[in-house]
Amino acid sequence: AQSVTQPDIHITVSEGASLELRCNYSYGATPYLFWYVQSPGQGLQLLLKYFSGDTLVQGIKGFEAEFKRSQSSFNLRKPSVHWSDAAEYFCAVGANTDKLIFGTGTRLQVFP
Amino acid sequence: SQTIHQWPATLVQPVGSPLSLECTVEGTSNPNLYWYRQAAGRGLQLLFYSVGIGQISSEVPQNLSASRPQDRQFILSSKKLLLSDSGFYLCAWSGRGYEQYFGPGTRLTVT
Repeated sequence: AQSVTQPDIHITVSEGASLELRCNYSYGATPYLFWYVQSPGQGLQLLLKYFSGDTLVQGIKGFEAEFKRSQSSFNLRKPSVHWSDAAEYFCAVGANTDKLIFGTGTRLQVFP
Repeated sequence: SQTIHQWPATLVQPVGSPLSLECTVEGTSNPNLYWYRQAAGRGLQLLFYSVGIGQISSEVPQNLSASRPQDRQFILSSKKLLLSDSGFYLCAWSGRGYEQYFGPGTRLTVT
């Protein structure tokens, strides 16, 4: 069965520092991979997606993610974090079904 | 462009009362539709999804039900709310791709 693991429940970074949020998935073939962001009290917004091709994908708000098949990972990165990036981030995987499997989320806190 | 609406935005209901949450999508046809729940500090739990009018798949047995009376309308209901039904309810849609697009959510508090 497909599964998604986000090992970090909570991450704190200083504004301007780089960021990497980890995501590991379990699936036998190449999955479809997504990152979403959720601000408090709001719905989820799609940051980026990977279906095939170039393993480094660019998203909105300056985020990027890299698909590494050998490590079953799809980590989210940003070179310089802004205070407005403080939110909950969810990784998700889709695989030949109409459903997505979501990770449990990583809460990002940004200090000035 | 496509938009998704949910209402109400917030709701406070007593235990045992009925529930009806509505979700509508604009700008697309025959979308897949989804209902999720987020308990406080928890991840997303898929409750129901629908691939067409009248077609509902239930993921978690509970006292909630879903209906899809029209192509772009998805309704979440309960006959009698429980305290454990409190949470943040999210509706989402998807098209040909696997990515899902979420509505703004409904905060439900059962007292």
